[in-house]
Amino acid sequence: DTAVSQTPKYLVTQMGNDKSIKCEQNLGHDTMYWYKQDSKKFLKIMFSYNNKELIINETVPNRFSPKSPDKAHLNLHINSLELGDSAVYFCASSLLGLGYTFGSGTRLTVV
Amino acid sequence: EDKVVQSPLSLVVHEGDTVTLNCSYEVTNFRSLLWYKQEKKAPTFLFMLTSSGIEKKSGRLSSILDKKELFSILNITATQTGDSAVYLCAVGSNFGNEKLTFGTGTRLTIIP
Repeated sequence: DTAVSQTPKYLVTQMGNDKSIKCEQNLGHDTMYWYKQDSKKFLKIMFSYNNKELIINETVPNRFSPKSPDKAHLNLHINSLELGDSAVYFCASSLLGLGYTFGSGTRLTVV
Repeated sequence: EDKVVQSPLSLVVHEGDTVTLNCSYEVTNFRSLLWYKQEKKAPTFLFMLTSSGIEKKSGRLSSILDKKELFSILNITATQTGDSAVYLCAVGSNFGNEKLTFGTGTRLTIIP
C-alpha cells in the first residue's frame, strides 16, 4: 500500500488552463503539506493543513488553492496556469511533525 | 526568514571514497534536522537529528548535529555508485505546526 499517493504523476497542459492535483495518505497522519520543487531541485513549502485546517500558507499566488476535505486528503487546484508554474509538486504528511513522508511527486509542465 | 545552506552544491568522487556533506541553518524555534536522499522521485528519509553530539548511523551513512554551531554533517564511507543522488538537508521548526525548510541540496556523483 502506498503511504502518500499523488495523482497524476505527470501533467502537461497549456497556459491559462485550470488543473488539480490530488493527494491521499493512509498513514493516519494529522498534517499534510504541498511542496514545490523547481528545476534546481529546491524544495519549498507552499501550504500545510492540520486536521483540515490551513496552518501554513507561504507566499503563493492566489491562483493556487488547496482544499482538504478530510485529514487524509489534500488537493491542490491551480487556476490560469503560467509557464513559471512548471515544477514538480510534492505532497507530504506527518504526525505531530514526525514521520514526515513524501509522495512520489507530480511533474507539471505548462506549455 | 528561516535559512538552510548546504555545501558543496555538487561533488564528484570515485567509488570507495569517503564524503562529508555539510548543512548549516538559521531557524527560529528549531525542532529537528532531517537528511533526505533524492534520486529520481520522492525524497527518502535518512536521518532525523534533535540532540547535539549524538551520532546517528545507518550502514555506511552517519550524521551528527551541533546545535551550538548550528550545523550538521552527513558522512558516507566507502561510497558506491548507488549513492549518487541529491542529498537534502531540512530543518523542522514551529513545534506542533511543523514545516520543513530545505537547503538547495548537494548533488553527489560517484564515478565507478
